[in-house]
Amino acid sequence: GAGVSQSPSNKVTEKGKDVELRCDPISGHTALYWYRQSLGQGLEFLIYFQGNSAPDKSGLPSDRFSAERTGGSVSTLTIQRTQQEDSAVYLCASSLGGTVYEQYFGPGTRLTVT
Amino acid sequence: AQSVTQPDIHITVSEGASLELRCNYSYGATPYLFWYVQSPGQGLQLLLKYFSGDTLVQGIKGFEAEFKRSQSSFNLRKPSVHWSDAAEYFCAVGAPSGNQFYFGTGTSLTVIP
Repeated sequence: GAGVSQSPSNKVTEKGKDVELRCDPISGHTALYWYRQSLGQGLEFLIYFQGNSAPDKSGLPSDRFSAERTGGSVSTLTIQRTQQEDSAVYLCASSLGGTVYEQYFGPGTRLTVT
Repeated sequence: AQSVTQPDIHITVSEGASLELRCNYSYGATPYLFWYVQSPGQGLQLLLKYFSGDTLVQGIKGFEAEFKRSQSSFNLRKPSVHWSDAAEYFCAVGAPSGNQFYFGTGTSLTVIP
């Protein structure tokens, strides 16, 4: 079956511009996670969606970052006024949700801010 | 605070040799533990997980891991490494509610012929 997909795979943007990153989770997965992976670093949790509940935004690094999930499926991570330190790989994962199920990761979006 | 430590940034082993990757965690409750592998250009793939029960868990690709509560460790092992095992390995601990996961910084594995 189809896995988690993310688009675009690569994004180069100028400092100060806004970017939108998209994630399509596995069908039927109610939980969706966004992570940031910087060079030489582990995965940094950003935000978690579970069904129709309010998202857990505790990992968002600043108010320039926001995410939404429409219809309990597709999610968009938006970064406003991008900074060079935002350059990283942004990973999306989905799981069956409800409790701690294993996550299935997408291939990521590599964001480069110039 | 919850955290995961992978003390080895990079490990090199010869093909056919045994492998052990270390993982230590700090978590206030019963941990849910995972090992993921990230091959170049690939997404993260789950190798194995521990939720409860037998502390020695078997995973895919011949990997196993042992949960040791007294040492707060969840080390990954493989008796004989293959060249295709060269990748980045991440240990993670998950909150029982499923809302957060904490990942280590990863261990990069190089396999030499």
